[in-house]
Amino acid sequence: ILMTQSPATLSLSPGESVTLSCSASQTVTKNFAWYQQKPGQAPRLLIYAASTRATGVPARFSGSGSGTEFTLTISSLQSEDFAVYYCQQYDNWPRTFGQGTKLEIK
Amino acid sequence: EVQLVESGGGLVKPGGSLRLSCEASGLAFNIYTMNWVRQAPGKGLEWVSSIISGGIYTYYADSVKGRFTISRDNAKNSLYLQMHSLRAEDTAVYYCSRGVYTNNGYKGDAYDVWGQGTLVTVSS
Repeated sequence: ILMTQSPATLSLSPGESVTLSCSASQTVTKNFAWYQQKPGQAPRLLIYAASTRATGVPARFSGSGSGTEFTLTISSLQSEDFAVYYCQQYDNWPRTFGQGTKLEIK
Repeated sequence: EVQLVESGGGLVKPGGSLRLSCEASGLAFNIYTMNWVRQAPGKGLEWVSSIISGGIYTYYADSVKGRFTISRDNAKNSLYLQMHSLRAEDTAVYYCSRGVYTNNGYKGDAYDVWGQGTLVTVSS
């Protein structure tokens, strides 16, 4: 299953809100996750089951969608939110990730 | 504290072999699906392999099938990745990760705990 993220890069300012998108080439039901990765660090799970926040993830992160279309919304960006975001499906083998969306400070 | 610590990375020549290890602590290792995910320099994440809790069922990316073998020793809380016939394109940071298994019974292959990664460089 091919996962396609858009856009590749976003330039925003702290305090703004943003919605990232991810499309699957076929349905993955709700077996879908979002990750955040900062330079030199391992990825961090943000959202699983399409809309459930992982332990310790702030409420400003929210996920939605099912089937083939998914979004991650970050309300009121904080400085620590500027990173690369990946989506992943775990409905079928092989597990697949999107190519990533880089969120950078304007 | 739940922790995964990888080891075994290094520089290896094309065609060579390497065995990665991942030692887990602070978790009931035997109930979790465990996984390897890699990231080539400057690139995105690529799932490599998974092994279900009992160790019988294993899955591989097409890019490593037939060359890599995932295994686990639940008595030692350890995960392994034996890599043979290594190629330049296998050069990456290899992460060990745990599949989600929540208190309310949700189990899925979203990866909620990651190691720090171990770098494998395949070069002559």
